[in-house]
Amino acid sequence: AQKVTQAQTEISVVEKEDVTLDCVYETRDTTYYLFWYKQPPSGELVFLIRRNSFDEQNEISGRYSWNFQKSTSSFNFTITASQVVDSAVYFCALSLTGANSKLTFGEGITLSVRP
Amino acid sequence: GAGVSQTPSNKVTEKGKYVELRCDPISGHTALYWYRQSLGQGPEFLIYFQGTGAADDSGLPNDRFFAVRPEGSVSTLKIQRTERGDSAVYLCASSLMGDFGNEQFFGPGTRLTVL
Repeated sequence: AQKVTQAQTEISVVEKEDVTLDCVYETRDTTYYLFWYKQPPSGELVFLIRRNSFDEQNEISGRYSWNFQKSTSSFNFTITASQVVDSAVYFCALSLTGANSKLTFGEGITLSVRP
Repeated sequence: GAGVSQTPSNKVTEKGKYVELRCDPISGHTALYWYRQSLGQGPEFLIYFQGTGAADDSGLPNDRFFAVRPEGSVSTLKIQRTERGDSAVYLCASSLMGDFGNEQFFGPGTRLTVL
């Protein structure tokens, strides 16, 4: 069975600070996908990134960056120069390759960015 | 184009009643997923449809829960003899295909409250 752990439950930062959201996963499969989703107060889950287990290259998209390390089974997410609009719940998720890409989510991290 | 839509957005019912929750996926998406999100937790997988058939219903908590997708598009999640523990947000997601970690697009959810 798959498991995703997001040990941080709530993080509060002041605007313009950098913040890293941690994600640790467990799976016996050698091929899988990792995801980050954002859930703003409106409630709708918004896709941020998908990573294939074969690709450990870090990725940067604007103020967002992701660090994938298979050796530690971690897929951490960093927001640089945080903004109030970044306030949301962030979920890390995992799916296996194959015919069913159902997602296993972590518990989520509530990020509050204060002005 | 239109995203995933779910109706109703809110449903309040009494214990023991029957409810139906509807999901309208993105046109052309063959894969459809239902998840349930309890307060303060990550979404949990319920059932996955590939086309008209339920390819994986391992997440349904018991036989009071049932879902259909008769024409391979709209899906209905049906809950019989509702219990207070069924109160949650029910999320629907669709993807172009069900395999290889295809990005899932989520609807706004239906908030079910069982009194």
